Amino acid sequence: EAQVTQNPRYLITVTGKKLTVTCSQNMNHEYMSWYRQDPGLGLRQIYYSMNVEVTDKGDVPEGYKVSRKEKRNFPLILESPSPNQTSLYFCASRPSGTLGGDEQFFGPGTRLTVL
Amino acid sequence: AQSVTQLDSHVSVSEGTPVLLRCNYSSSYSPSLFWYVQHPNKGLQLLLKYTSAATLVKGINGFEAEFKKSETSFHLTKPSAHMSDAAEYFCVVSLQDGYGGSQGNLIFGKGTKLSVKP
Repeated sequence: EAQVTQNPRYLITVTGKKLTVTCSQNMNHEYMSWYRQDPGLGLRQIYYSMNVEVTDKGDVPEGYKVSRKEKRNFPLILESPSPNQTSLYFCASRPSGTLGGDEQFFGPGTRLTVL
Repeated sequence: AQSVTQLDSHVSVSEGTPVLLRCNYSSSYSPSLFWYVQHPNKGLQLLLKYTSAATLVKGINGFEAEFKKSETSFHLTKPSAHMSDAAEYFCVVSLQDGYGGSQGNLIFGKGTKLSVKP
């Protein structure tokens, strides 16, 4: 089944304890992206990657890191989490180019709480 | 600059009555537009998309949206609401690069929560 998977789905942690949220897709998509969703703000892009070893900042990159060493994986790293990073996180992917109308496929989400 | 505005943060309808969720966009180029739905504690599901073909776009679950360039709108409608339609809906525009292509980045509206009363 074509899908985007995220792990963990739920995480409660404490301020300053490094964590990684993994994202993996099995559709051979070039483009991958991370979003955070906060009430009343919709989804905002954190980082995106156009292909392996190519990453760029989105609208809210502060406090986050990413890497793209393999095409299928795009982990999100919080080196020193803070309470304002408590949020619902979504990973997404899409094929490159304009065919298909730019639709992105979303993972199930990771709910992160930083105490 | 490209942006999207959802005009209502909350819409409440009775079951069996029409649904209208309003969305306006701003884009320097011909946009790709989407509606996504998020049911409580679920991920995002694509309802429908507009990519410069037919201006009236039909999606899943009886939803449709009409692209109106003159009004820069892409409102979502459904003739008859069902209880299962209760969810949050996001209007989304895809950033264009000015050369007829797409960077792939999406800009989300802030969402409209749809409540359906029995």
